[in-house]
Amino acid sequence: NAGVTQTPKFRILKIGQSMTLQCTQDMNHNYMYWYRQDPGMGLKLIYYSVGAGITDKGEVPNGYNVSRSTTEDFPLRLELAAPSQTSVYFCASSSTGFAYNEQFFGPGTRLTVL
Amino acid sequence: AQSVTQLGSHVSVSEGALVLLRCNYSSSVPPYLFWYVQYPNKGLQLLLKYTSAATLVKGINGFEAEFKKSETSFHLTKPSAHMSDAAEYFCAVSEFGYGNKLVFGAGTILRVKS
Repeated sequence: NAGVTQTPKFRILKIGQSMTLQCTQDMNHNYMYWYRQDPGMGLKLIYYSVGAGITDKGEVPNGYNVSRSTTEDFPLRLELAAPSQTSVYFCASSSTGFAYNEQFFGPGTRLTVL
Repeated sequence: AQSVTQLGSHVSVSEGALVLLRCNYSSSVPPYLFWYVQYPNKGLQLLLKYTSAATLVKGINGFEAEFKKSETSFHLTKPSAHMSDAAEYFCAVSEFGYGNKLVFGAGTILRVKS
């Protein structure tokens, strides 16, 4: 049972390039989330999904896109990378939508945009 | 909307001393509250959570937190710090409504001195 896995671990992009951050969970969780973490700012929600085919915006969605074609995978797409997207990105999952359920986090992807 | 304030971005304690990390929340309804820990270059791991069953919540690694409604607080404590406790700690509140979203505080970095 690997939990939540993310690839790549590190990536450097040039301004204007595109990339997809991969996230996979093997716990059969319906709910999945993408956060970005910036120093001194905590984690901010980018997008989330409550099941395959259903996604919604979080607090900071601009510059990102997501899709959810399967229960296991929840990729995050950056179309035109900008220096403001330099951050550490975390994917998380939760078994249900009940507010008392914990979220399980992946190890993160550290992205630098130059 | 729910929000979380963590007082003190950095806390330094000596090994064996009491650890106290402060968290205050804002919520119009009884909240569900979480403490997560992030070790260097790792993802977030749940320490403990408050779900209204008991005001004193015990978590992993000897940590506990007390929910005080009158003070809107959920401070994290540990009687005796260990070097391995050095990490960043995040308090979070579950945002009621669709999606089981979490709102995180800015985080507190705990340094343990030998």
